[in-house]
Amino acid sequence: NAGVTQTPKFRVLKTGQSMTLLCAQDMNHEYMYWYRQDPGMGLRLIHYSVGEGTTAKGEVPDGYNVSRLKKQNFLLGLESAAPSQTSVYFCASSYLHHNSNQPQHFGDGTRLSIL
Amino acid sequence: GQNIDQPTEMTATEGAIVQINCTYQTSGFNGLFWYQQHAGEAPTFLSYNVLDGLEEKGRFSSFLSRSKGYSYLLLKELQMKDSASYLCAVRDFYAGNNRKLIWGLGTSLAVNP
Repeated sequence: NAGVTQTPKFRVLKTGQSMTLLCAQDMNHEYMYWYRQDPGMGLRLIHYSVGEGTTAKGEVPDGYNVSRLKKQNFLLGLESAAPSQTSVYFCASSYLHHNSNQPQHFGDGTRLSIL
Repeated sequence: GQNIDQPTEMTATEGAIVQINCTYQTSGFNGLFWYQQHAGEAPTFLSYNVLDGLEEKGRFSSFLSRSKGYSYLLLKELQMKDSASYLCAVRDFYAGNNRKLIWGLGTSLAVNP
């Protein structure tokens, strides 16, 4: 079992460029999440998905778009990258049950720098 | 509002015991998670509490008091490899928020020899 896999692991972009971060999970989880983590800011939720074909905004969605065309994949897109989007991006997934003790499982992160 | 407070930094000595506190204010409550995050790595799950009391897992224990909005993570027999950031997260059960976690900023623990 690979768990949650993120690609790429590192990327440097120029302001205005676009890119897509890929997240794949092999645990058959219903929920998937995209976070960004910045020094002193903690983990902040960008977008999340409660199932195939559905997405919802988190607390910092501006400048990002997402898609969940297949249950196992959750894509995060930056249409026009800005220096403020320099961050470490984590994808996570979890089971559906609201009262479950099942935690969110995280990928290894994507370190993104926007010049 | 929703808020989670943890100390920013703590230091301890190898072999000792350390307690990391977490206080929370949320609209509802449906579970509290502790995660460990080593520098440059992903958060990994340590423990879960939903009822009051102590949950023990080897060298790590976690306590919850729902009436006080308070939890702590207890690390015993500290090892150098326990140097990491410890994140407290609450699942807020209110108006759709049950699908998301509210995260604290983390406590950076340094274990010294």
